Amino acid sequence: DTGVSQDPRHKITKRGQNVTFRCDPISEHNRLYWYRQTLGQGPEFLTYFQNEAQLEKSRLLSDRFSAERPKGSFSTLEIQRTEQGDSAMYLCASSPRGRGQGTFGSTEAFFGQGTRLTVV
Amino acid sequence: DAKTTQPTSMDCAEGRAANLPCNHSTISGNEYVYWYRQIHSQGPQYIIHGLKNNETNEMASLIITEDRKSSTLILPHATLRDTAVYYCISLSGNTGKLIFGQGTTLQVKP
Repeated sequence: DTGVSQDPRHKITKRGQNVTFRCDPISEHNRLYWYRQTLGQGPEFLTYFQNEAQLEKSRLLSDRFSAERPKGSFSTLEIQRTEQGDSAMYLCASSPRGRGQGTFGSTEAFFGQGTRLTVV
Repeated sequence: DAKTTQPTSMDCAEGRAANLPCNHSTISGNEYVYWYRQIHSQGPQYIIHGLKNNETNEMASLIITEDRKSSTLILPHATLRDTAVYYCISLSGNTGKLIFGQGTTLQVKP
Protein backbone atom coordinates (compact mmCIF):
# COMPACT_ATOMS: atom_id res chain seq x y z
CA ASP A 1 0.00 0.00 0.00
CA THR A 2 1.52 3.29 -1.03
CA GLY A 3 -0.94 5.64 0.63
CA VAL A 4 -1.33 7.17 4.07
CA SER A 5 -3.15 4.75 6.33
CA GLN A 6 -5.24 5.68 9.37
CA ASP A 7 -6.70 3.40 11.97
CA PRO A 8 -9.43 3.08 13.01
CA ARG A 9 -11.68 4.58 10.35
CA HIS A 10 -14.47 5.12 12.83
CA LYS A 11 -14.54 5.39 16.61
CA ILE A 12 -17.48 5.88 18.92
CA THR A 13 -16.63 6.56 22.51
CA LYS A 14 -18.33 7.72 25.66
CA ARG A 15 -17.56 11.15 27.03
CA GLY A 16 -14.66 11.02 29.43
CA GLN A 17 -12.94 8.06 27.81
CA ASN A 18 -9.50 8.20 26.23
CA VAL A 19 -8.98 7.39 22.56
CA THR A 20 -5.89 6.86 20.43
CA PHE A 21 -5.61 7.06 16.67
CA ARG A 22 -2.79 5.80 14.52
CA CYS A 23 -1.38 7.14 11.28
CA ASP A 24 1.07 5.32 9.01
CA PRO A 25 2.56 7.78 6.53
CA ILE A 26 3.96 6.99 3.13
CA SER A 27 7.35 5.34 3.52
CA GLU A 28 10.25 7.75 3.70
CA HIS A 29 8.01 10.78 4.10
CA ASN A 30 9.67 12.64 6.91
CA ARG A 31 6.90 15.20 7.46
CA LEU A 32 3.66 14.21 9.13
CA TYR A 33 0.67 16.41 9.91
CA TRP A 34 -2.52 16.02 11.92
CA TYR A 35 -5.66 17.97 11.06
CA ARG A 36 -9.16 18.04 12.47
CA GLN A 37 -12.28 18.62 10.40
CA THR A 38 -15.80 19.29 11.63
CA LEU A 39 -18.89 19.14 9.48
CA GLY A 40 -19.04 21.86 6.84
CA GLN A 41 -15.61 23.24 7.65
CA GLY A 42 -12.22 22.87 6.05
CA PRO A 43 -9.55 20.87 7.85
CA GLU A 44 -7.82 22.69 10.73
CA PHE A 45 -4.14 22.20 11.41
CA LEU A 46 -3.32 20.54 14.75
CA THR A 47 0.34 19.59 14.74
CA TYR A 48 3.33 18.75 12.59
CA PHE A 49 6.33 16.43 12.86
CA GLN A 50 9.55 16.38 10.97
CA ASN A 51 10.91 12.91 11.57
CA GLU A 52 10.39 12.28 15.28
CA ALA A 53 10.44 15.94 16.30
CA GLN A 54 7.15 17.70 16.93
CA LEU A 55 7.91 21.13 15.53
CA GLU A 56 4.60 22.95 15.75
CA LYS A 57 1.37 22.65 17.71
CA SER A 58 -1.80 24.60 17.09
CA ARG A 59 -3.59 26.41 19.90
CA LEU A 60 -6.44 24.04 19.06
CA LEU A 61 -4.39 21.25 20.60
CA SER A 62 -5.42 21.48 24.23
CA ASP A 63 -3.67 19.73 27.09
CA ARG A 64 -5.97 16.75 26.58
CA PHE A 65 -4.41 16.11 23.18
CA SER A 66 -1.01 14.55 22.68
CA ALA A 67 0.72 13.37 19.55
CA GLU A 68 3.83 11.29 19.15
CA ARG A 69 5.97 9.98 16.38
CA PRO A 70 8.52 7.95 18.32
CA LYS A 71 10.68 6.53 15.55
CA GLY A 72 9.90 9.01 12.83
CA SER A 73 7.59 6.58 11.12
CA PHE A 74 4.00 6.08 12.35
CA SER A 75 2.31 8.59 14.60
CA THR A 76 -0.36 8.41 17.27
CA LEU A 77 -2.82 11.06 18.38
CA GLU A 78 -4.34 10.56 21.82
CA ILE A 79 -7.29 12.44 23.25
CA GLN A 80 -7.81 12.13 26.99
CA ARG A 81 -11.12 12.68 28.76
CA THR A 82 -13.00 13.11 25.50
CA GLU A 83 -15.71 15.74 25.23
CA GLN A 84 -18.59 15.97 22.78
CA GLY A 85 -16.84 18.88 21.11
CA ASP A 86 -14.04 16.53 20.13
CA SER A 87 -16.36 14.79 17.68
CA ALA A 88 -14.78 15.34 14.28
CA MET A 89 -12.82 13.75 11.47
CA TYR A 90 -9.13 13.49 12.33
CA LEU A 91 -6.94 13.55 9.25
CA CYS A 92 -3.30 12.64 8.89
CA ALA A 93 -1.08 13.73 6.02
CA SER A 94 2.53 13.16 5.07
CA SER A 95 4.93 14.81 2.69
CA PRO A 96 8.45 14.11 1.53
CA ARG A 97 9.94 17.48 2.43
CA GLY A 98 13.46 16.97 3.65
CA ARG A 99 15.86 18.83 5.83
CA GLY A 100 17.27 22.07 4.60
CA GLN A 101 14.50 22.85 2.18
CA GLY A 102 13.34 26.38 2.69
CA THR A 103 10.57 28.49 1.37
CA PHE A 104 11.59 28.02 -2.22
CA GLY A 105 10.96 24.33 -2.26
CA SER A 106 7.54 22.78 -2.55
CA THR A 107 5.81 19.48 -2.56
CA GLU A 108 2.35 18.17 -2.00
CA ALA A 109 0.95 16.48 1.09
CA PHE A 110 -0.86 13.17 0.85
CA PHE A 111 -3.83 12.64 3.13
CA GLY A 112 -5.26 9.52 4.68
CA GLN A 113 -8.96 8.73 4.71
CA GLY A 114 -9.30 9.98 8.25
CA THR A 115 -10.65 8.68 11.54
CA ARG A 116 -14.18 9.79 12.34
CA LEU A 117 -14.63 10.23 16.08
CA THR A 118 -18.05 10.41 17.67
CA VAL A 119 -18.23 11.20 21.37
CA VAL A 120 -21.58 10.31 22.94
CA ASP B 1 0.21 32.78 6.12
CA ALA B 2 -1.85 34.53 3.48
CA LYS B 3 -5.62 34.33 3.68
CA THR B 4 -7.48 33.06 0.63
CA THR B 5 -11.08 33.77 -0.32
CA GLN B 6 -13.24 31.66 -2.62
CA PRO B 7 -16.90 31.61 -3.64
CA THR B 8 -18.94 29.32 -1.46
CA SER B 9 -20.41 27.30 -4.30
CA MET B 10 -20.47 26.93 -8.07
CA ASP B 11 -22.26 24.81 -10.64
CA CYS B 12 -20.84 23.47 -13.87
CA ALA B 13 -22.36 21.43 -16.69
CA GLU B 14 -20.81 18.04 -17.33
CA GLY B 15 -18.26 18.20 -20.14
CA ARG B 16 -17.73 21.92 -19.81
CA ALA B 17 -14.75 23.66 -18.26
CA ALA B 18 -15.02 24.51 -14.59
CA ASN B 19 -13.23 27.72 -13.61
CA LEU B 20 -12.76 28.14 -9.88
CA PRO B 21 -11.45 31.54 -8.74
CA CYS B 22 -9.41 32.33 -5.65
CA ASN B 23 -8.24 35.63 -4.19
CA HIS B 24 -5.00 35.70 -2.22
CA SER B 25 -4.18 39.40 -2.17
CA THR B 26 -1.93 39.15 0.90
CA ILE B 27 0.23 36.36 -0.43
CA SER B 28 3.97 36.91 0.00
CA GLY B 29 6.54 36.45 -2.71
CA ASN B 30 7.65 33.02 -1.58
CA GLU B 31 4.28 31.50 -0.76
CA TYR B 32 2.98 28.91 -3.16
CA VAL B 33 -0.67 28.58 -4.14
CA TYR B 34 -1.97 25.05 -3.73
CA TRP B 35 -5.26 23.51 -4.74
CA TYR B 36 -6.76 20.48 -3.08
CA ARG B 37 -10.17 18.93 -3.38
CA GLN B 38 -12.20 16.81 -1.03
CA ILE B 39 -14.81 14.40 -2.18
CA HIS B 40 -17.42 13.57 0.42
CA SER B 41 -16.08 11.48 3.32
CA GLN B 42 -12.59 11.23 1.87
CA GLY B 43 -9.33 12.93 2.76
CA PRO B 44 -8.25 15.95 0.71
CA GLN B 45 -6.56 15.18 -2.59
CA TYR B 46 -3.76 17.26 -4.08
CA ILE B 47 -4.55 18.80 -7.48
CA ILE B 48 -1.88 21.31 -8.47
CA HIS B 49 0.30 24.09 -7.16
CA GLY B 50 2.22 27.08 -8.47
CA LEU B 51 4.33 30.06 -7.50
CA LYS B 52 4.38 32.53 -10.38
CA ASN B 53 3.94 30.69 -13.63
CA ASN B 54 0.86 28.98 -14.94
CA GLU B 55 0.90 25.25 -14.40
CA THR B 56 -0.82 22.28 -16.01
CA ASN B 57 -0.99 18.63 -15.10
CA GLU B 58 -3.21 15.70 -15.94
CA MET B 59 -5.92 16.91 -13.60
CA ALA B 60 -6.12 20.65 -14.08
CA SER B 61 -4.56 23.95 -15.05
CA LEU B 62 -3.65 26.76 -12.69
CA ILE B 63 -3.62 30.33 -13.92
CA ILE B 64 -1.93 32.83 -11.58
CA THR B 65 -2.26 36.55 -12.26
CA GLU B 66 0.92 38.52 -12.80
CA ASP B 67 0.52 40.35 -9.49
CA ARG B 68 -0.12 36.98 -7.78
CA LYS B 69 -3.17 38.34 -6.00
CA SER B 70 -5.52 35.82 -7.52
CA SER B 71 -5.60 32.55 -9.37
CA THR B 72 -8.03 30.30 -11.23
CA LEU B 73 -8.19 26.54 -11.21
CA ILE B 74 -9.46 25.12 -14.47
CA LEU B 75 -10.89 21.65 -14.86
CA PRO B 76 -11.03 21.45 -18.65
CA HIS B 77 -13.80 18.87 -19.04
CA ALA B 78 -15.69 18.47 -15.80
CA THR B 79 -17.26 15.12 -15.02
CA LEU B 80 -19.75 14.14 -12.34
CA ARG B 81 -16.85 12.69 -10.34
CA ASP B 82 -15.36 16.17 -10.07
CA THR B 83 -18.17 17.18 -7.72
CA ALA B 84 -16.28 18.08 -4.55
CA VAL B 85 -15.14 20.90 -2.28
CA TYR B 86 -12.15 22.67 -3.80
CA TYR B 87 -9.69 24.42 -1.51
CA CYS B 88 -7.29 27.16 -2.54
CA ILE B 89 -4.45 27.34 -0.04
CA SER B 90 -1.30 29.37 0.37
CA LEU B 91 1.51 27.24 1.64
CA SER B 92 3.89 28.19 4.38
CA GLY B 93 7.04 26.93 2.73
CA ASN B 94 9.07 26.33 5.85
CA THR B 95 6.67 23.86 7.41
CA GLY B 96 4.41 22.75 4.59
CA LYS B 97 1.47 23.51 6.86
CA LEU B 98 -1.76 23.89 4.91
CA ILE B 99 -4.27 26.49 6.10
CA PHE B 100 -7.65 25.52 4.68
CA GLY B 101 -10.56 27.92 4.27
CA GLN B 102 -14.11 26.76 3.64
CA GLY B 103 -13.45 26.15 -0.04
CA THR B 104 -15.78 26.16 -3.03
CA THR B 105 -18.36 23.43 -3.38
CA LEU B 106 -18.42 22.54 -7.06
CA GLN B 107 -21.51 20.73 -8.27
CA VAL B 108 -21.14 19.19 -11.72
CA LYS B 109 -24.56 18.62 -13.25
CA PRO B 110 -25.53 16.29 -16.11
